[in-house]
Amino acid sequence: EVQLVESGGGLVQPGGSLRLSCVASGFTFSSYEMNWVRQTPGKELQWVSYIKSSGSIIHYADSVKGRFIVSRDNAKNSLYLQMNSLRAEDTGVYFCARGSSGWGYWGLGTLVTVSS
Amino acid sequence: VMTQSPATLSVSPGDRATLSCRASQSVYSSIAWYQQKPGQAPRLLIYGASTRATGIPARFSGSGSGTEFTLTISSLQSEDFAVYYCQQYNNWPPVTFGGGTRVEIK
Repeated sequence: EVQLVESGGGLVQPGGSLRLSCVASGFTFSSYEMNWVRQTPGKELQWVSYIKSSGSIIHYADSVKGRFIVSRDNAKNSLYLQMNSLRAEDTGVYFCARGSSGWGYWGLGTLVTVSS
Repeated sequence: VMTQSPATLSVSPGDRATLSCRASQSVYSSIAWYQQKPGQAPRLLIYGASTRATGIPARFSGSGSGTEFTLTISSLQSEDFAVYYCQQYNNWPPVTFGGGTRVEIK
């Protein structure tokens, strides 16, 4: 059974940092493209970042470029999102999702709250 | 930009529901539809505008190409009351989502 489990969320002050993790199981992680997507308190879905299976291609949304860093460790079946210089508008539930043409598997998400 | 309409759709169980998604420029057939229930992650229903994902019942169907797309639920079941999102993955990055349509019980 395919599973994606996010962790690392929490309450952080503006300007702070967090590192999210997504641990995959039930499939060959190293063969799949992965994404981070967030859902705002208003329920809007926003794509955040993409990383190719090998890690050789990475993309970011303009809103997080220069502040967030996506990476993966295929040996550990893990995806990461290093979030720096956090802002209030980064608040939301962060999901990892597998795929490119339609994302067939999502984790349950981890909540990030940026507030003083 | 992906625009979904209506924002809320009130439907009786057993009736047909038709949800619309419009793209600001052509995305060809590179569109997916997701269903989300409270406290859950989105669930992939349709990709490639009209291909049902694995395990999705036949009452869900997608159509359209270019800029106009439709998700149809032929006979609403109680478990279908949820929020539905469209997503385009043709002109990316960025991947973009519509604002969602809430399907509620009439």
